[in-house]
Amino acid sequence: QKEVEQNSGPLSVPEGAIASLNCTYSDRGSQSFFWYRQYSGKSPELIMSIYSNGDKEDGRFTAQLNKASQYVSLLIRDSQPSDSATYLCAVKGGGGSNYKLTFGKGTLLTVNP
Amino acid sequence: EAGVVQSPRYKIIEKKQPVAFWCNPISGHNTLYWYLQNLGQGPELLIRYENEEAVDDSQLPKDRFSAERLKGVDSTLKIQPAELGDSAVYLCASSYHSGADTQYFGPGTRLTVL
Repeated sequence: QKEVEQNSGPLSVPEGAIASLNCTYSDRGSQSFFWYRQYSGKSPELIMSIYSNGDKEDGRFTAQLNKASQYVSLLIRDSQPSDSATYLCAVKGGGGSNYKLTFGKGTLLTVNP
Repeated sequence: EAGVVQSPRYKIIEKKQPVAFWCNPISGHNTLYWYLQNLGQGPELLIRYENEEAVDDSQLPKDRFSAERLKGVDSTLKIQPAELGDSAVYLCASSYHSGADTQYFGPGTRLTVL
């Protein structure tokens, strides 16, 4: 059974600070890693994907992947109140299914003005 | 480009009643997914369609849940009879194909079973 673990939070940061969100996964065969943002009462929205070890930057967002440690993280620089949402880590591949997306429970982020 | 459309957005029913959810994926997307999201949890896959074919329904509770995707476009998810524990948000998502990494989610249907 593939598992994706996240700290449920809430994680509270002041406006302008760096928010760091973490995720671990159990299946070493996992190949693709994603971060979704979900505002309260809304559906998940893909914000970052990463496939190889290292960092991937997109604007204020940086995804980091360490396959040896089975760890993926999301950094949000210059956090804004509009970043307040639940961030879902999702993993794909391995475990006999290359197509199934397995989500963590999500981390609630609150950015305080 | 229109997004994934779902209806109804909200549904309140009494236990043991049937209920159905409808989904219209993004035009041209061959793969359609139904997810269940409980409060405080991430989405969990119920069933995945490739065109008309249900290629992964291992997580669908087949004693009370059923789904169909006639003509490979719209899809309907049904629960009969509903139980209290079925209260959740039912999300539909679509992608160009199963190998595509980006899944686009609809707004979901929030089901409350009394």
